[in-house]
Amino acid sequence: GAGVSQSPSNKVTEKGKDVELRCDPISGHTALYWYRQRLGQGLEFLIYFQGNSAPDKSGLPSDRFSAERTGESVSTLTIQRTQQEDSAVYLCASATDYEQYFGPGTRLTVT
Amino acid sequence: GQQLNQSPQSMFIQEGEDVSMNCTSSSIFNTWLWYKQDPGEGPVLLIALYKAGELTSNGRLTAQFGITRKDSFLNISASIPSDVGIYFCAGRRQGATNKLIFGTGTLLAVQP
Repeated sequence: GAGVSQSPSNKVTEKGKDVELRCDPISGHTALYWYRQRLGQGLEFLIYFQGNSAPDKSGLPSDRFSAERTGESVSTLTIQRTQQEDSAVYLCASATDYEQYFGPGTRLTVT
Repeated sequence: GQQLNQSPQSMFIQEGEDVSMNCTSSSIFNTWLWYKQDPGEGPVLLIALYKAGELTSNGRLTAQFGITRKDSFLNISASIPSDVGIYFCAGRRQGATNKLIFGTGTLLAVQP
């Protein structure tokens, strides 16, 4: 069946520009996560959506980062005024109550 | 953010060797998951564990949910070159939200 999809797969942007990353979760999954992974590093939690509850934004590194989710479907992660330190792979995952499945990620490069 | 203690950080082994890695937490967990990440890909779920003491296999992989509910182990038997990658543990704390917490990862390199 269809897994988690993310778009774009690669994004190169100039410092100072805004970017939007999209995640299409697995249908029926109530939870959705965003993570950041710098080269050679582990997974850095950014934000967690669970059903209609208020999102857990505790991992967002600054107010330049925000995310939205419409119901139990698509989510977008927005980074405003991008900095070179934002360069990383941004991974989305959708989850049932028990298991979590990742998308392929969006590789963001800020020049 | 909070992360689980995962060890070892990296392993360099010969093809055919067995491998063992583990995750520990100071809190009690009610779910443990193990993932593998290949270069340029998202992590892929390998094994899920839901009960203390549970031992589950997936081919050459075996994982256990520690009896104290504060740790989990992943073993890979007879390693092959395609086992190369980063292995992550993840868990849910008992009594907390459904949010998964991830380990720091174990990099596995297998020499043919």
